[in-house]
Amino acid sequence: DGGITQSPKYLFRKEGQNVTLSCEQNLNHDAMYWYRQDPGQGLRLIYYSQIVNDFQKGDIAEGYSVSREKKESFPLTVTSAQKNPTAFYLCASSHGPSGYTFGSGTRLTVV
Amino acid sequence: SQQGEEDPQALSIQEGENATMNCSYKTSINNLQWYRQNSGRGLVHLILIRSNEREKHSGRLRVTLDTSKKSSSLLITASRAADTASYFCATDYNQGGKLIFGQGTELSVKP
Repeated sequence: DGGITQSPKYLFRKEGQNVTLSCEQNLNHDAMYWYRQDPGQGLRLIYYSQIVNDFQKGDIAEGYSVSREKKESFPLTVTSAQKNPTAFYLCASSHGPSGYTFGSGTRLTVV
Repeated sequence: SQQGEEDPQALSIQEGENATMNCSYKTSINNLQWYRQNSGRGLVHLILIRSNEREKHSGRLRVTLDTSKKSSSLLITASRAADTASYFCATDYNQGGKLIFGQGTELSVKP
C-alpha cells in the first residue's frame, strides 16, 4: 500500500542535542512538507520541498534544517537552536494542487 | 498572517444531529480543503473545493464556499460518535502548493 511513514512515533531530546525526524513516502509525490502542531492549535509550516534537491523555508524555520536528496525522503533535523522544540511534528506529501497525505506524526519531548 | 479563522473552536452535539463548522480566510484562493484529525494522529483529507465551485458533497459531508465573503462551511449530517475529532480548513493561496491551516474545530459527538 502506498503511504507516508514517519519515525519514530515518540522521541525524547536532551537540552543541546540535535535530533532527526524521518519522513518517507512511496506515493511518488513531488512535494513534501513539515508542519509543527502545538496542543490545541493548528499546523504551522516549517519547511517544504517541491522537487528533489530544493526546499524553502516556511513560517517557523528557525532552529530547523531539512534535506531532500531523494524524492521519497524528507528528513527534518531539530537543532539545539530551537528553544522550544516540544511539539507534534507532521510530515505530508502532495502531487499537484490536490489534497495532502499526512504521516501519523512524531511527538518530540525535551527532557 | 494569512491563517484562516475557524469557528466554533469546540462543538458538542448528540448523535444524529448535524454539525456545522465555519472557516474564514483573508485573500484570494485557488482552493480550500477540509481535514480531519483524530487525537494524536495525522490529518486525513476529506474534501477539496475549488474557487469556482460553490458547493460540494461527499457522503455525509457538504462543503460550501462563498468567495465574496471569503468563507466556507463544513456540514456533517446525521453525526455519529465516530465523527468525534478535530476538523481543520486549509487554504491554497497559489504559493507553490503550500497550505495554510486554520486553528481547527474540536467536535464531540455524544452517543
